[in-house]
Amino acid sequence: ELKVEQNPLFLSMQEGKNYTIYCNYSTTSDRLYWYRQDPGKSLESLFVLLSNGAVKQEGRLMASLDTKARLSTLHITAAVHDLSATYFCVHNTDKLIFGTGTRLQVFP
Amino acid sequence: DVKVTQSSRYLVKRTGEKVFLECVQDMDHENMFWYRQDPGLGLRLIYFSYDVKMKEKGDIPEGYSVSREKKERFSLILESASTNQTSMYLCASSPYGTGDEAFFGQGTRLTVV
Repeated sequence: ELKVEQNPLFLSMQEGKNYTIYCNYSTTSDRLYWYRQDPGKSLESLFVLLSNGAVKQEGRLMASLDTKARLSTLHITAAVHDLSATYFCVHNTDKLIFGTGTRLQVFP
Repeated sequence: DVKVTQSSRYLVKRTGEKVFLECVQDMDHENMFWYRQDPGLGLRLIYFSYDVKMKEKGDIPEGYSVSREKKERFSLILESASTNQTSMYLCASSPYGTGDEAFFGQGTRLTVV
């Protein structure tokens, strides 16, 4: 069974702190995406990771992919309130397989 | 800059009605998907399509059907709506084989009463 496991499910963090969200997947396909979803809204693409060792950064977010470990990480640096949202990793095996999502709350 | 458009943002239907949710994409993508999103259950794949007139069942196809007569349009049909189909429905499209990301519609919040 194709699985994408994401943790933690919920993350409450103080502004200015750093944290990492982890995403493990179970197949050999190495297309991994990160999306953001604000409450009541649709999904917005953040990063596309297509090869081993891929690292992409946008602002305070950095995503990486380790295909040997079948692991992707989303690292948050010096969190700010605007980053509060739910983050999904999505594995593309021609079907899009979603992780459970990590609900991030950043408080002052 | 619209890429994936769902026909309705909010919809209220009665039990037993036949319901059509429409999704149109303007990126010439081969793949199109329908998901439902429920609290605590994440996003679950209902149906997907790789090409015109092709369809594949996802994880939860029961009570749903789909239609793809044109490449840009993928319709989700609730044959006889039931209250347990109250949910947020999301449509997505992606190109075949390139690895480029999928784009999502704005979602349709369906309430069946």
